[in-house]
Amino acid sequence: QSPLTQPPSVSGSPGQRVIISCVGSTSDIGRNSVNWYQHLPGTAPKLLIHSSTVRPSGVPDRFSGSTSGTSASLAISGLQSEDEADYYCASWGDNPTGMYIFGTGTKVTVL
Amino acid sequence: QVQLQESGPGLVKASETLSLTCRISGDSITSDHWVWVRQAPGKGLQWIGYIYYTGSTTYNPSLKSRVTISIDTSRAQFSLNLGSVTAADTAIYYCARDDSRGLPIWGQGTLVTVSS
Repeated sequence: QSPLTQPPSVSGSPGQRVIISCVGSTSDIGRNSVNWYQHLPGTAPKLLIHSSTVRPSGVPDRFSGSTSGTSASLAISGLQSEDEADYYCASWGDNPTGMYIFGTGTKVTVL
Repeated sequence: QVQLQESGPGLVKASETLSLTCRISGDSITSDHWVWVRQAPGKGLQWIGYIYYTGSTTYNPSLKSRVTISIDTSRAQFSLNLGSVTAADTAIYYCARDDSRGLPIWGQGTLVTVSS
C-alpha cells in the first residue's frame, strides 16, 4: 500500500498559521482515523494528534487536526521557531491487509 | 513512566540477519501492541510491524517475507529479526508502543548500517 501523500515542505513566519495536508484513499483515511507525529532530527517522533482530532496531554492547542473524506489536515497556529520539524500523518490501511501507513512527511520551516 | 530502549548491533553485513531488541520498563508488556518503525537516511517513517503480548503479529506486506517479530514477556522485551538485509535496510530503527490511538511512546532509536 502506498504512503499517504503530503507536501514536501511548508513554511511560515512566526505567529502565522500553516496547514499540512495528507491525502489517502477509501482504504485508509476514508475508513480509519488519522494520527500526526512531529519528528525532530536525532529524536524520537512525538504523537501530536490521535483519533484525527485529539491532542494528547501536553500538546499545545496551537496544533489541531481535521479530516474530510479521504484527506486529513494538521494546522499549526501561532507558528513558533520550535515548531520547525518534520511532520507525518499516519493511518491504518485495509488494502490488501491491515498495516499502519505513514505519510511521506512534510518539513515545516519557520522563516 | 513507560520507557523503551532499543539494543543490538550497529553494523550488519549484507545478506545476513539484522536483530534488535526493545526492552520495556515502567509498565506491563501485557498490554497494547509493540511496534517496530524505521527511517532510512533521507527518507520517511516506515512501519515494519507489531506484536501483541499473546504473540499475534502483523507485518508490513512489503517486508513480510523477511521479518519476524517476537516477544518475551518474562523479560519484558520484544525483538525484530530482518533477514537477507541489503543496503536499503540501513536505517534508524525505533521501537514503540501502540495503544490503539497511535504511537505515544517511542524508544530513542538505533542506527543500523548494512555493509557490503
